[in-house]
Amino acid sequence: AQSVTQLGSHVSVSEGALVLLRCNYSSSVPPYLFWYVQYPNQGLQLLLKYTTGATLVKGINGFEAEFKKSETSFHLTKPSAHMSDAAEYFCAVTLTGGFKTIFGAGTRLFVKA
Amino acid sequence: AAGVIQSPRHLIKEKRETATLKCYPIPRHDTVYWYQQGPGQDPQFLISFYEKMQSDKGSIPDRFSAQQFSDYHSELNMSSLELGDSALYFCASSLMGDRGSVTEAFFGQGTRLTVV
Repeated sequence: AQSVTQLGSHVSVSEGALVLLRCNYSSSVPPYLFWYVQYPNQGLQLLLKYTTGATLVKGINGFEAEFKKSETSFHLTKPSAHMSDAAEYFCAVTLTGGFKTIFGAGTRLFVKA
Repeated sequence: AAGVIQSPRHLIKEKRETATLKCYPIPRHDTVYWYQQGPGQDPQFLISFYEKMQSDKGSIPDRFSAQQFSDYHSELNMSSLELGDSALYFCASSLMGDRGSVTEAFFGQGTRLTVV
């Protein structure tokens, strides 16, 4: 069975600093990986996804993530945090041909002025 | 662009009552998913439908049922509501790609159910 682990339920960075949100997965077969962002009282918005091909994927709002099979990781990064990045971020995994996406517990990002 | 529409956005029910949540997927999407997100929790998969047939089932209580209709909209029916059912219920839709490849799920704004 697949699972997703996000390290750190809360991450706090200063505006302009690097954002690093960690995600590790376990899966018996190559998964598809996603990062979603959720603003307060909002739905889930897709930031980026990895399915096949290039392991470094770029998403919206300057975010990117790198799929590292050897480390079973899919960490999310952004070079310079902005106040508007403050939100909850969910890493998620879906198996090929799967009909459900399994979410990690989420990481709440705080951005300090 | 059209998004996933959920109705109602907010719903207040008393214990033991029933509730029906509706989801209208993005046009031409053939797969619908239902998730439950409790306060401070990650979304938990409940159930999904592909081409109007149940495709996968997660932690959906027996008190809940769902179906997808011929126009691809879906309804989640919840009976004998309990206080613990209070949560944000998300619907998502996607289009199954070639040979079962996965495309991303697009989420609606959610229905906030409060059971009192």
